[in-house]
Amino acid sequence: DAGVIQSPRHEVTEMGQEVTLRCKPISGHNSLFWYRQTMMRGLELLIYFNNNVPIDDSGMPEDRFSAKMPNASFSTLKIQPSEPRDSAVYFCASSHGSENTGELFFGEGSRLTVL
Amino acid sequence: AQSVSQHNHHVILSEAASLELGCNYSYGGTVNLFWYVQYPGQHLQLLLKYFSGDPLVKGIKGFEAEFIKSKFSFNLRKPSVQWSDTAEYFCAVLEGGFQKLVFGTGTRLLVSP
Repeated sequence: DAGVIQSPRHEVTEMGQEVTLRCKPISGHNSLFWYRQTMMRGLELLIYFNNNVPIDDSGMPEDRFSAKMPNASFSTLKIQPSEPRDSAVYFCASSHGSENTGELFFGEGSRLTVL
Repeated sequence: AQSVSQHNHHVILSEAASLELGCNYSYGGTVNLFWYVQYPGQHLQLLLKYFSGDPLVKGIKGFEAEFIKSKFSFNLRKPSVQWSDTAEYFCAVLEGGFQKLVFGTGTRLLVSP
């Protein structure tokens, strides 16, 4: 079975540009999570969805960040405009069930570098 | 809100040495506890979990962890590490009634052959 699929794997962009990261969760999973990983702060939960509905976005850093899940098989995380401090690895994860059991399946991450 | 502390940021061991990685969470109540591992160049994957019952839980690849409620701890152990255990290890807690899985900052383990 295919795991969680993220794209792009690597992105290098200039400050001020729009960045869109994409995620396809595992089929049948109805919870989706976006995490950001940095050396300084480790893994931070940005937002999570259940049945395509955002449940908690309190981890989204600021208005420059937005996330959508238009259907059960696709989600995007957008940063506009991007800043150098957004450089990080962004992970998408999915899980089965309406409640978060903590058993997440992670994608391989999107490494973002903002110059 | 819950927080997770992993006190060892970097650990270097020789093969066959014993391993113990510390993990403490901030406060009590019903918690589910996890260890995730991230091998070089790979995604995070679940190593083991504690939901209830026997506080000593066994995971994949010979790892185990012990939940000590009085100490708010969930330390990861392995009696004899291998070079292939080189990875970053994350402790995580899911607080009862909440939907957030909160991770510690991770411990990088390097096992020298």
